[in-house]
Amino acid sequence: SQTIHQWPATLVQPVGSPLSLECTVEGTSNPNLYWYRQAAGRGLQLLFYSVGIGQISSEVPQNLSASRPQDRQFILSSKKLLLSDSGFYLCAWSVGSYEQYFGPGTRLTVT
Amino acid sequence: GESVGLHLPTLSVQEGDNSIINCAYSNSASDYFIWYKQESGKGPQFIIDIRSNMDKRQGQRVTVLLNKTVKHLSLQIAATQPGDSAVYFCAENVDMRFGAGTRLTVKP
Repeated sequence: SQTIHQWPATLVQPVGSPLSLECTVEGTSNPNLYWYRQAAGRGLQLLFYSVGIGQISSEVPQNLSASRPQDRQFILSSKKLLLSDSGFYLCAWSVGSYEQYFGPGTRLTVT
Repeated sequence: GESVGLHLPTLSVQEGDNSIINCAYSNSASDYFIWYKQESGKGPQFIIDIRSNMDKRQGQRVTVLLNKTVKHLSLQIAATQPGDSAVYFCAENVDMRFGAGTRLTVKP
């Protein structure tokens, strides 16, 4: 069966520090991968999606970046965090553009 | 989109009542729709889906209705229970956008 892992579960980082969130998927090949951010009490904002290794599409301009070094690994990064980067970050995978399976999320607090 | 910055609409129902959650989409090319449930502190989970060649699909206690003419779909939950309290999102397969979500609160 397929599983998706995200880590860390929670993270507190100072403004200006770097960020690296990792997401891995098991049990499937060549999935579409997604990074979302969710502010408290708000909807899901699609940040990046990837249809293959090294293929990243960015949905919104920001100080975040994403990389897909391996087929089932998706990394969200920042060189310098802003206060506004605080939120709940969710990774998801899908086969094609159908049902997405979400990870447990990372709650990031930038102080 | 703009909706991600808005506070979630809320729906409060009494336990045992039926709930109806609505969602509008904009892309007429969308041909597959999904409803997700997100409990507090967790990622969204699939509830039910529907393809555009259908108007209605039923699951266990849930029904999704699709009106392609007005680009609207709804999720109906029968005999709502406290465990149904969550945020509900709709999504479609072309723009891969999630709706703003609706927070359902079930009062005992």
